[in-house]
Amino acid sequence: GDSVTQMEGPVTLSEEAFLTINCTYTATGYPSLFWYVQYPGEGLQLLLKATKADDKGSNKGFEATYRKETTSFHLEKGSVQVSDSAVYFCALSRTGGFKTIFGAGTRLFVKA
Amino acid sequence: NAGVTQTPKFQVLKTGQSMTLQCAQDMNHEYMSWYRQDPGMGLRLIHYSVGAGITDQGEVPNGYNVSRSTTEDFPLRLLSAAPSQTSVYFCASSYGDGLNEKLFFGSGTQLSVL
Repeated sequence: GDSVTQMEGPVTLSEEAFLTINCTYTATGYPSLFWYVQYPGEGLQLLLKATKADDKGSNKGFEATYRKETTSFHLEKGSVQVSDSAVYFCALSRTGGFKTIFGAGTRLFVKA
Repeated sequence: NAGVTQTPKFQVLKTGQSMTLQCAQDMNHEYMSWYRQDPGMGLRLIHYSVGAGITDQGEVPNGYNVSRSTTEDFPLRLLSAAPSQTSVYFCASSYGDGLNEKLFFGSGTQLSVL
């Protein structure tokens, strides 16, 4: 069945450092891929998404490119801020968000 | 806009007790779902619904019941709580039309079963 694997955390960075969080998926066909973010004490919210191969999703300085050949959707940001400290979830969905599958989540700490 | 509203935010139960976690959305979304979040395991789907009167099981449905009598509400029932059900529970909804796949989440219910 479909699955999502993302790098274990926590990831600790200094402010203005470069961020990469790896995500790979297993699925047949062409699912939509997502990154969700969860701030402390809150529910998840969509950060970015890509719906087909080679698409790049971007939002708030974060980017991820849908790589069909490597089945990957790595999250990157060129310069992190303390306010980016959160848990990041990679996810995939086939139809309308139904049965969206999530990775285990990666906690990011950014130090001032 | 209220979005997805979950109640209660915190709950402590004793083993064997029953309770209902409430979820309501005001966006006229057809699709609603319940997830549990456990450390190191991400979010796992418990039950979902594609419209009023229609529900189906997700990955971890045992010990939970759902119903969908209206488009707005999707309560989750724990029939006989067990310590293994200690978790954070999230309700989520979406338009479910294949074009708008974004899930909208509630703020969660933290449940402890003693």
